[in-house]
Amino acid sequence: NAGVMQNPRHLVRRRGQEARLRCSPMKGHSHVYWYRQLPEEGLKFMVYLQKENIIDESGMPKERFSAEFPKEGPSILRIQQVVRGDSAAYFCASSQGAGETQYFGPGTRLLVL
Amino acid sequence: EDKVVQSPLSLVVHEGDTVTLNCSYEVTNFRSLLWYKQEKKAPTFLFMLTSSGIEKKSGRLSSILDKKELFSILNITATQTGDSAVYLCAVGYSGTYKYIFGTGTRLKVLA
Repeated sequence: NAGVMQNPRHLVRRRGQEARLRCSPMKGHSHVYWYRQLPEEGLKFMVYLQKENIIDESGMPKERFSAEFPKEGPSILRIQQVVRGDSAAYFCASSQGAGETQYFGPGTRLLVL
Repeated sequence: EDKVVQSPLSLVVHEGDTVTLNCSYEVTNFRSLLWYKQEKKAPTFLFMLTSSGIEKKSGRLSSILDKKELFSILNITATQTGDSAVYLCAVGYSGTYKYIFGTGTRLKVLA
């Protein structure tokens, strides 16, 4: 049973470009959460999605960031017009049911030059 | 404001020592508390705690929750170098499905 998968593991972008981060939840999990981790800081919640629905996006910056979890395929976190401050590790987690234990993927480390 | 505070921020011990990591929280409508171990990759799940006073154990690790005093501890006995990691505490609360994470305790175990 494969765990949560994320790709790419490392992503380098120049300022102004777009970054697309993908997350495939564990088999049987339909709840996906995205977190951002800045160096020497804890995980900060960004968004919680179920299939085709955004349930809670209270942690998402109002501009440039968006997330989706389509009926088919992985969840995608999209960052438009990246800036250096977007450089961080972005983790995805999934759970079987709402509020249940979240299992994390290996993260995508985004570096904006 | 809801918050999760972990202490100490960092800790250096020698192999064989016992360590106790602390997590205190202030959240409305507490639902559960999770402990994770994070090395240079994904946080790996250790424990979920929902009830006060019931110790959870896994090998040399154990954890307990005190809902009256609003804290949890994670104990590691007979530490090994492989225990070196950042230990994260996260608290979830009713009405939302997100968890608030503490900044973690960085543990280094010396041989």
